[in-house]
Amino acid sequence: GAVVSQHPSRVICKSGTSVKIECRSLDFQATTMFWYRQFPKQSLMLMATSNEGSKATYEQGVEKDKFLINHASLTLSTLTVTSAHPEDSSFYICSARDGDRNQPQHFGDGTRLSIL
Amino acid sequence: AQSVSQHNHHVILSEAASLELGCNYSYGGTVNLFWYVQYPGQHLQLLLKYFSGDPLVKGIKGFEAEFIKSKFSFNLRKPSVQWSDTAEYFCAVNARVTGFQKLVFGTGTRLLVSP
Repeated sequence: GAVVSQHPSRVICKSGTSVKIECRSLDFQATTMFWYRQFPKQSLMLMATSNEGSKATYEQGVEKDKFLINHASLTLSTLTVTSAHPEDSSFYICSARDGDRNQPQHFGDGTRLSIL
Repeated sequence: AQSVSQHNHHVILSEAASLELGCNYSYGGTVNLFWYVQYPGQHLQLLLKYFSGDPLVKGIKGFEAEFIKSKFSFNLRKPSVQWSDTAEYFCAVNARVTGFQKLVFGTGTRLLVSP
């Protein structure tokens, strides 16, 4: 089946640093990738939709200058949390879609981000 | 705004018991419906999906779900659960009104099956 690799799985860093999370589709080309955030005991919340070669579409309330998304190739999207603060600590999950919008999304393992 | 409700946050069953997890969504129009499962320590995996056609959908591992349009529901069922079904289950919906781009998740139901 379709595999999505997300790296790193866990990161702990100091307040003020920037953190980059990678999302790769390993055995398929993903024209669209998605970034979600999950708070404890809550649902996944879509942050942004990323299409290869174009700017990401951010959901309402998500700061695009805070959460930089790059989707430079059909197999790689990155999320950079800039100048991270403790309130950015969360579980970030990416997914990728193999084909058109009626296809299901395939999810990465997620990244646990802890900002001290 | 789009929303998806899963009313059971925690469910505890014994092996061989029947399972039904509720899922309701809040908007009309054409929708695609999904159930995802997340086993402990693993990523979300697709259990089953409904796009059109027969409203009773069969998925992997003996799961099925029924789309009832009049009730805006897509409940997940399994006649006899196993210990290995212990996991968190998420209902998700995307809709024509958003170009089927945005997948909206429910809050999840944590299922514990005791042997």
